[in-house]
Amino acid sequence: GESVGLHLPTLSVQEGDNSIINCAYSNSASDYFIWYKQESGKGPQFIIDIRSNMDKRQGQRVTVLLNKTVNHLSLQIAATQPGDSAVYFCAETQPNNDMRFGAGTRLTVKP
Amino acid sequence: EAQVTQNPRYLITVTGKKLTVTCSQNMNHEYMSWYRQDPGLGLRQIYYSMNVEVTDKGDVPEGYKVSRKEKRNFPLILESPSPNQTSLYFCASSITGSTDTQYFGPGTRLTVL
Repeated sequence: GESVGLHLPTLSVQEGDNSIINCAYSNSASDYFIWYKQESGKGPQFIIDIRSNMDKRQGQRVTVLLNKTVNHLSLQIAATQPGDSAVYFCAETQPNNDMRFGAGTRLTVKP
Repeated sequence: EAQVTQNPRYLITVTGKKLTVTCSQNMNHEYMSWYRQDPGLGLRQIYYSMNVEVTDKGDVPEGYKVSRKEKRNFPLILESPSPNQTSLYFCASSITGSTDTQYFGPGTRLTVL
């Protein structure tokens, strides 16, 4: 079946830098998107969500951008800290309410 | 503390030996779901439940069973486990469904020999 962001790329950043993690979603009609953070040995943890009627949403140190033209979602983390090291993955909810998850991106923050 | 709990956290078993992984949530959520996570793949849904006594197949239901007799519990049953069910399993719950934030349990790492 269709998948969100099949590959598991890695991103290494210096502490204090900004991080940008990208996700290509599969269904242009999907209407709800979530970013999750998964630390080693733990379950996924909600970070931020966005609905398709928005193109940007901000949280504390995190911003999600939605580009519906190219089915692209990004997560920006400001002033990245060592505690941000984790796998980040996106999820999309399709019109039939099926949720699809990406494999994720591994973020490593160097002190 | 609002949480989803799973037990056991780690399990090594042999082919064909029935096992159950329990899942419980204390948030009074109606929706519960089971996923498996395999290297390089996104979470794949096994089964979900919209409410008590209502369960539906997800993307990869073969070899699994579930039940939802109470709102808080959603056990995952492997009647005859096989090596291809070796995986990391997550239970999740949300208020009403996949358009809500899902809260995940800590995971159960299952190895079937």
